[in-house]
Amino acid sequence: EVQLVQSGAEVKKPGESLKISCKGSGYSFTSYWIGWVRQMPGKGLEWMGIIYPGDSDTRYSPSFQGQVTISADKSISTAYLQWSSLKASDTAMYYCARQFHGSGSYYNQNWFDPWGQGTLVTVSS
Amino acid sequence: DIQMTQSPSSLSASVGDRVTITCRASQSISSYLNWYQQKPGKAPKLLIYAASSLQSGVPSRFSGSGSGTDFTLTISSLQPEDFATYYCQQSYSTPPTFGPGTKVDIK
Repeated sequence: EVQLVQSGAEVKKPGESLKISCKGSGYSFTSYWIGWVRQMPGKGLEWMGIIYPGDSDTRYSPSFQGQVTISADKSISTAYLQWSSLKASDTAMYYCARQFHGSGSYYNQNWFDPWGQGTLVTVSS
Repeated sequence: DIQMTQSPSSLSASVGDRVTITCRASQSISSYLNWYQQKPGKAPKLLIYAASSLQSGVPSRFSGSGSGTDFTLTISSLQPEDFATYYCQQSYSTPPTFGPGTKVDIK
């Protein structure tokens, strides 16, 4: 079974650092992009960025560039999302998701499947 | 960035109803459109990819259509487990963007 399992909920203070994880299993971790998606309380889904664990090629949404760092350790099939200095506005649920690329007539298509269960990050003084 | 809009933002329906949700892109995205279902406290789940292809394991009462800028997700006969929020997402260009969601609740 293809699965992404994320690290547990975190409660942090403003200014603290944090690194959350997303471990893949059941597929070749180095062959698929892994994306991160933010969902603020009661809001919709925002794509933050993506990483290709095979060579650590990383792309960021302009909205999140410089605010977070995405990385991966292919030896343990794990992707990471980290902050150097958290703000209260970083309070949200964070999901990782595998970007699946179609083949044949869907060659240029891609979609997110599966998703991790989410990591709730709460930043409060 | 390509902007995605959805209508309605919410709807109330009964079990057995036919439900249609519309998604519109700010520019043509061909068929690069995916649909996800999210239940409260859960991660999104892929329903439809490439505008009209049903993801494996998803019930056949779900269907998608459209191309260019206008797309629809249809639930042919709403079931109790379908009450959720539905999001469209374009994969035509980076960054991929999501619609604001349509919440389907019980009438």
